[in-house]
Amino acid sequence: AQSVTQLGSHVSVSEGALVLLRCNYSSSVPPYLFWYVQYPNQGLQLLLKYTSAATLVKGINGFEAEFKKSETSFHLTKPSAHMSDAAEYFCAVSYNQGGKLIFGQGTELSVKP
Amino acid sequence: DTGVSQNPRHKITKRGQNVTFRCDPISEHNRLYWYRQTLGQGPEFLTYFQNEAQLEKSRLLSDRFSAERPKGSFSTLEIQRTEQGDSAMYLCASSAPGQGGNEQFFGPGTRLTVL
Repeated sequence: AQSVTQLGSHVSVSEGALVLLRCNYSSSVPPYLFWYVQYPNQGLQLLLKYTSAATLVKGINGFEAEFKKSETSFHLTKPSAHMSDAAEYFCAVSYNQGGKLIFGQGTELSVKP
Repeated sequence: DTGVSQNPRHKITKRGQNVTFRCDPISEHNRLYWYRQTLGQGPEFLTYFQNEAQLEKSRLLSDRFSAERPKGSFSTLEIQRTEQGDSAMYLCASSAPGQGGNEQFFGPGTRLTVL
């Protein structure tokens, strides 16, 4: 079955430190890949997406992710964490345009002052 | 510009009752999706529509769940004979294929509590 794995249900970093949230997907078929963020009591907001163009994708709020086909990974990074980045982050994959999203279980990011 | 809206935002019901949720997608988005999210988990796909046609339904979805999108605009999700295990956040999303690789825009969700 197609699945998405996010390593680490909780990640804690200090303000100004590098943020790295890991995501791996299971399929040999190149997918569409997404990162969504969910702030407390708010809906899911798209951070960035990979759609078979450039393998390094830049998103909002200084986040970026790199698609590595050989590793079936799509890890999310940000060079310097801000307090406002504290939220739940979800990696998602779709295998056909317009089809359903398969989500990972999420990673809660905490940012310490 | 209005995003995806969902009503009600919260619903508390007793076990065995029927509930219905509504989703209004972004105008001119022809695809509409329903997901369910429980605490500490990622959203789980339930079903989706292209216009008024229901194109896919999760095999894990109980027969007590039904969704409609009669005119290809808003959609309703009904749960019959609710059970405590149905307590979750129900999310709706919409998209316009051909724009940006299948990006789905999510509503704020309806939180269901079954007592």
